[in-house]
Amino acid sequence: AQTVTQSQPEMSVQEAETVTLSCTYDTSESDYYLFWYKQPPSRQMILVIRQEAYKQQNATENRFSVNFQKAAKSFSLKISDSQLGDAAMYFCAYSFTGNQFYFGTGTSLTVIP
Amino acid sequence: KAGVTQTPRYLIKTRGQQVTLSCSPISGHRSVSWYQQTPGQGLQFLFEYFSETQRNKGNFPGRFSGRQFSNSRSEMNVSTLELGDSALYLCASSSRRGGYNSPLHFGNGTRLTVT
Repeated sequence: AQTVTQSQPEMSVQEAETVTLSCTYDTSESDYYLFWYKQPPSRQMILVIRQEAYKQQNATENRFSVNFQKAAKSFSLKISDSQLGDAAMYFCAYSFTGNQFYFGTGTSLTVIP
Repeated sequence: KAGVTQTPRYLIKTRGQQVTLSCSPISGHRSVSWYQQTPGQGLQFLFEYFSETQRNKGNFPGRFSGRQFSNSRSEMNVSTLELGDSALYLCASSSRRGGYNSPLHFGNGTRLTVT
């Protein structure tokens, strides 16, 4: 069974500092996709970054980057130069077939001014 | 391009009633998925529709059903509502180009409260 685990229910970071959110997953598949989504209080889930499992290079999107460790089944999100607008719930997600995504339980990120 | 639109934003229903939620995907997107989000269970996959056919279904009872129309708009129906059905229901669309790597684009959700 596919499971996604986010072991940090809550995290906080000082504005302009760097924070890393953890995610591990369990799968027997060799080819799959991993995503980080952000859900602000407005409720709309917004794609932050995605990673194809067959790519060894870690994905980067501006201030957001991932550390993808396929053997360890780990997929952490690093947010650099944190901004107040980064405050949200962050969900790690996994997909390997169709559009069925498996989500973690989320990490609530607080940014301290 | 307009985003994913879900209506209504809020619903209050009584146990035993039924409810229909609506979702209009991004123009050109043919895949629509539905997710239930609750504080205890997180986001759980309900089902996915593509070209008016249900492609995948999550582990939910038959009271949860859906359909997709020829214009890709989708509706989700929950019959015989239970208190545990109170949740945020999220709809997501995707272009599904190139297989399963297309990211999901979410709507703002419908908050259903069952009393």
